[in-house]
Amino acid sequence: GIQVEQSPPDLILQEGANSTLRCNFSDSVNNLQWFHQNPWGQLINLFYIPSGTKQNGRLSATTVATERYSLLYISSSQTTDSGVYFCAVDLTSGSRLTFGEGTQLTVNP
Amino acid sequence: EAGVVQSPRYKIIEKKQPVAFWCNPISGHNTLYWYRQNLGQGPELLIRYENEEAVDDSQLPKDRFSAERLKGVDSTLKIQPAELGDSAVYLCASSRIGLGPDTQYFGPGTRLTVL
Repeated sequence: GIQVEQSPPDLILQEGANSTLRCNFSDSVNNLQWFHQNPWGQLINLFYIPSGTKQNGRLSATTVATERYSLLYISSSQTTDSGVYFCAVDLTSGSRLTFGEGTQLTVNP
Repeated sequence: EAGVVQSPRYKIIEKKQPVAFWCNPISGHNTLYWYRQNLGQGPELLIRYENEEAVDDSQLPKDRFSAERLKGVDSTLKIQPAELGDSAVYLCASSRIGLGPDTQYFGPGTRLTVL
């Protein structure tokens, strides 16, 4: 099956710092989503981004489908950004999402 | 628009007992998914429904797990009997395939503890 690798596994930042999270995947994908799992366990959609670049406030994401990677940028980080960030992909429309292992982000005040 | 609703949020049972989880997807979403998330890992798909039909249940342990989606809306996932290794968070998600981006939206999950 498709492999999804995320890096780094853990990241500790001071409030106000910027960061880049990476997701590599092993095959061509139909769908790629970034999620934030908050401390209560809720998976929150950040981006649906099978290709191209999107921005939403302090967050932006870029997927280079031909090179099989995606990047999530967090600028001016806040303590509320803490949690686990997951990248997930699927091969065909509506099929199972395969998740990476996640990046555990801790933002200290 | 209401999100995906799941109940209960937490469940503690003893091994060999049965347990059931309920999910109400986002209105108008034709595809429903059940995922299981073990501690420290990403979610893994158990079963996927398109309307009433289970189209991918290859990862569902059918000897003890069952699921149904009556009328193509709500869904129930059951475990009978539960084992210690079933302790996990069970997540329901829904999406609207064929009518725009195939974004999956997740519910808050049910945290199951088997003692």
